[in-house]
Amino acid sequence: DIQMTQSPSSVSASIGDRVTISCRASQGINTWLAWYQQKPGKAPEFLIYAGSRLQSGVPTRFSGSGSGTDFTLTITNVQPEDYATYFCQQADSLPPTFGQGTKLEI
Amino acid sequence: QVQLQQWDAGLLKPSETLSLACGVYGGSFNNHFWSWIRQPPGKGLEWIGQINHSGSAKYNPSLQSRVTISVDTSKSQFSLKLASVSAADTAVYYCARSSRYSFAYYFDNWGPGSLVTVSS
Repeated sequence: DIQMTQSPSSVSASIGDRVTISCRASQGINTWLAWYQQKPGKAPEFLIYAGSRLQSGVPTRFSGSGSGTDFTLTITNVQPEDYATYFCQQADSLPPTFGQGTKLEI
Repeated sequence: QVQLQQWDAGLLKPSETLSLACGVYGGSFNNHFWSWIRQPPGKGLEWIGQINHSGSAKYNPSLQSRVTISVDTSKSQFSLKLASVSAADTAVYYCARSSRYSFAYYFDNWGPGSLVTVSS
């Protein structure tokens, strides 16, 4: 299985800040990576696919980058509704695997 | 807009079989994969397996010996059975749709989740 490692496990930010979350794959996955946002008690929501492409309806303050083994999720101008846990997921091969999550806190 | 609805499994005793179902409303059942994903309390996400409309299933090797996923296209439903559960199987279980975006499949719609607790 491909192992996905996120860092940091938690990050603190104020409204309006810029936040970056990293995700590293144990082997190259081209750009086959997604990011999800999960709020407490809710199912994850699909934000970004193919490493950098925003799902329809996702605010443009979210952006993704990277290829191969190293990827980044960036949130510019953090808003109150962005406080959540973020997961990366590789879609290169079965089984799909997820990072352990990064919690964005005030 | 597709919606996924789940039916709760609730409380199970060790060695029992977990059974969950997921209904798909408002979208096509074909051209997608239908997955089960679980999340132990306070932990990360684990893919359990997937099935397509023709009944072709794939499972996570870590659970393969205990898992069966089936589909009923006449009801637009798919189901999960996990045998011989233990406390380690306590988790929120999500059903999810995966769709093709740019040559790969991603989980673009999720059910609300069902909490399954295994305890004697």
